[in-house]
Amino acid sequence: GEEVAQTPKHLVRGEGQKAKLYCAPIKGHSYVFWYQQVLKNEFKFLISFQNENVFDETGMPKERFSAKCLPNSPCSLEIQATKLEDSAVYFCASSQSVSSGNTIYFGEGSWLTVV
Amino acid sequence: AQSVAQPEDQVNVAEGNPLTVKCTYSVSGNPYLFWYVQYPNRGLQFLLKYITGDNLVKGSYGFEAEFNKSQTSFHLKKPSALVSDSALYFCAVRVTNSGNTPLVFGKGTRLSVIA
Repeated sequence: GEEVAQTPKHLVRGEGQKAKLYCAPIKGHSYVFWYQQVLKNEFKFLISFQNENVFDETGMPKERFSAKCLPNSPCSLEIQATKLEDSAVYFCASSQSVSSGNTIYFGEGSWLTVV
Repeated sequence: AQSVAQPEDQVNVAEGNPLTVKCTYSVSGNPYLFWYVQYPNRGLQFLLKYITGDNLVKGSYGFEAEFNKSQTSFHLKKPSALVSDSALYFCAVRVTNSGNTPLVFGKGTRLSVIA
C-alpha cells in the first residue's frame, strides 16, 4: 500500500499481559523502524529492520520486547509481561533503501494502555 | 552522538502572521535534517527535508526551512500562519553516509495559531 498501516489503533492490557502490535510498511520499502512516543512527546527509537533482518536494535529493552519482520507477513512488535511504563504510542515507519537521505514515513501509531 | 534541540515547548502566533519554529542540531559529520508535524491523535506527517543543495527548502502546506551550517540550525518558517497549522512540530536529524540509521528527534514544539 501507499501508507504505513498499523494495527490495532488502540490496545488495553492489564499489567503482566502480552501485547502485540502489527505494521505493514509501504509497498517497496525495505526498511522498517519502530519508535515509542511517551507522554512527554519524546520519541525513542526501538529497532529497525532491513527486510526480515534486524538492522539496529540498540533501543530495544531486550528482556521483554521482541520484534520480527517475516516475508509476506506484517512486521510485529511484541511486549511480554507489560508494565505500566510501557503505556505509550508505538509508531512504525518505513523507508526505501540505504541512503540516509530517504524520507521515513510513519504510520498513525498504536496506542497501548497498560492498566 | 547526534542530538536535536527545539528550545521552545510552545509557540503562539496570530493567524496571518509569520511563524518560526526553531531547531538546532549537533552531529559529527554532515546532517540530513527533517521536519515532521503531528496533529492530535495522529501519526507524524513529513513536511520537508534538507539533504544538499539550496539552503532554503520548501515543503508541504507552504512551510519552508533554512539550513544554516554555521549556526547549526534548521528553523521552520511560514510567511502567513493558519489556524489549521496548530499542531506539534518535530525536527529530526540523521548523519550522512551512515546507512539507514534511525532519525533522532527533538522534543517537539507545540504551535498554536490564534484566530
